[in-house]
Amino acid sequence: GQNIDQPTEMTATEGAIVQINCTYQTSGFNGLFWYQQHAGEAPTFLSYNVLDGLEEKGRFSSFLSRSKGYSYLLLKELQMKDSASYLCAVRGSVSGGYNKLIFGAGTRLAVHP
Amino acid sequence: GAVVSQHPSRVICKSGTSVKIECRSLDFQATTMFWYRQFPKQSLMLMATSNEGSKATYEQGVEKDKFLINHASLTLSTLTVTSAHPEDSSFYICSARDAWTENGYTFGSGTRLTVV
Repeated sequence: GQNIDQPTEMTATEGAIVQINCTYQTSGFNGLFWYQQHAGEAPTFLSYNVLDGLEEKGRFSSFLSRSKGYSYLLLKELQMKDSASYLCAVRGSVSGGYNKLIFGAGTRLAVHP
Repeated sequence: GAVVSQHPSRVICKSGTSVKIECRSLDFQATTMFWYRQFPKQSLMLMATSNEGSKATYEQGVEKDKFLINHASLTLSTLTVTSAHPEDSSFYICSARDAWTENGYTFGSGTRLTVV
C-alpha cells in the first residue's frame, strides 16, 4: 500500500524556524514534493527532491533521505503569511504511463506574532 | 508559465442533478490530467487519471459511473458528477502534467461544489 505521514498541526512564532517532517512508504519512488495550500485555494509548489540531500530555495529548504523514507520542509524567518497547510506528496512508479502524485494529509501551520 | 484554467470556481446544485467541471490547459498540451477531491481539513485524494483519447483510470473506491471523466482533446478534460448528493460536496481540483513547470505539474484553481 501507500502511506504518507506528516503531523496534523504545528504552531510557531513569527521570525522563528519550523521543521515539518514527512515519512513515506510507497510502491515505487520517483520524487517527493512539498506544496503550500491556503484554505480554498489550489496547492502552490514549494520544492522537489529526487536525490538524497538538502535543496535550498530562499526561506524554504527541503531534505530527503530515500533509504529512510523521510523528508522535511524547513521554513526560516517565519512570517504571518506562512500560516497555511503544507502538503508532502510522493510521485510513485510510472503506472500505465502516468506519474501519479499521492499526497499526505497535510500539516496545518499556524504562525503567531 | 503553464496555466490550467478550471471552471466553475463555485457551484451549488440540487441533489440528484449533475454538475460538469472543466479544466483547460492554456498554451500547452496536457496529455495527462489528474482529478483530486479534497474534504475540509483533509488532503487531496486522487480520484482518477485521464489520458487524452483513452478511458480514465480510477482509484480504488471511486465510482466511475458517478464521476464521469472525459479527456477528448489535448487541452480539455472534464469531470461530471452525476446524480450529486450532499456527501459529494467537496473541493475538486485538477492537475495537468506538463514539461514546462519546474516540478512538472500545474494545478487548476479548484471548484467548490455544494450539493443541497
